[in-house]
Amino acid sequence: DTGVSQNPRHKITKRGQNVTFRCDPISEHNRLYWYRQTLGQGPEFLTYFQNEAQLEKSRLLSDRFSAERPKGSFSTLEIQRTEQGDSAMYLCASSLTSGYNEQFFGPGTRLTVL
Amino acid sequence: SQQGEEDPQALSIQEGENATMNCSYKTSINNLQWYRQNSGRGLVHLILIRSNEREKHSGRLRVTLDTSKKSSSLLITASRAADTASYFCATGNAGGTSYGKLTFGQGTILTVHP
Repeated sequence: DTGVSQNPRHKITKRGQNVTFRCDPISEHNRLYWYRQTLGQGPEFLTYFQNEAQLEKSRLLSDRFSAERPKGSFSTLEIQRTEQGDSAMYLCASSLTSGYNEQFFGPGTRLTVL
Repeated sequence: SQQGEEDPQALSIQEGENATMNCSYKTSINNLQWYRQNSGRGLVHLILIRSNEREKHSGRLRVTLDTSKKSSSLLITASRAADTASYFCATGNAGGTSYGKLTFGQGTILTVHP
């Protein structure tokens, strides 16, 4: 399967715990994006990487959130000291670098914070 | 924050009928894309239309773009029960550091009854 993969698919955690999600993009894609989606809403942009460089972070991304893409391949998104408001679907997408970039999405990681 | 609005929020039709969804946005764009999302799943890319294009077709899909009105429409012809999903429009920004980032609408929930 050469699509975007995300792990885990589901994560249940207690408030205050740290969680880490992983995204493996399509191998030849040098752009990688993280979005967050809550029930009944469209995805909201969190951050994106071109190769290993993090080029933009949304104001939604508080200092409890950190994302890395150390070798320009897979990426991790960590949430520290989780809050109930962090419960959402976290989506990863990847694309080639172009002005008209079709983004390919992974299946998402659904986070539930109790 | 969401870029714009989609209309209607929900649409219920019979198999074989056409479905039209509209999307409005607020800022200058580079491109506009439509995605489909089945319940609890990732997003599937449907079609991309560039800011200098007015209409595009792909199979049973027809997308129009009116940049003067900052609006787009997605038409699905001869709908099938398998088309039941949420449909999102997403806009790509027209340059700067946000080049490549997508901003999504809130989506239209389409239900096609067999």
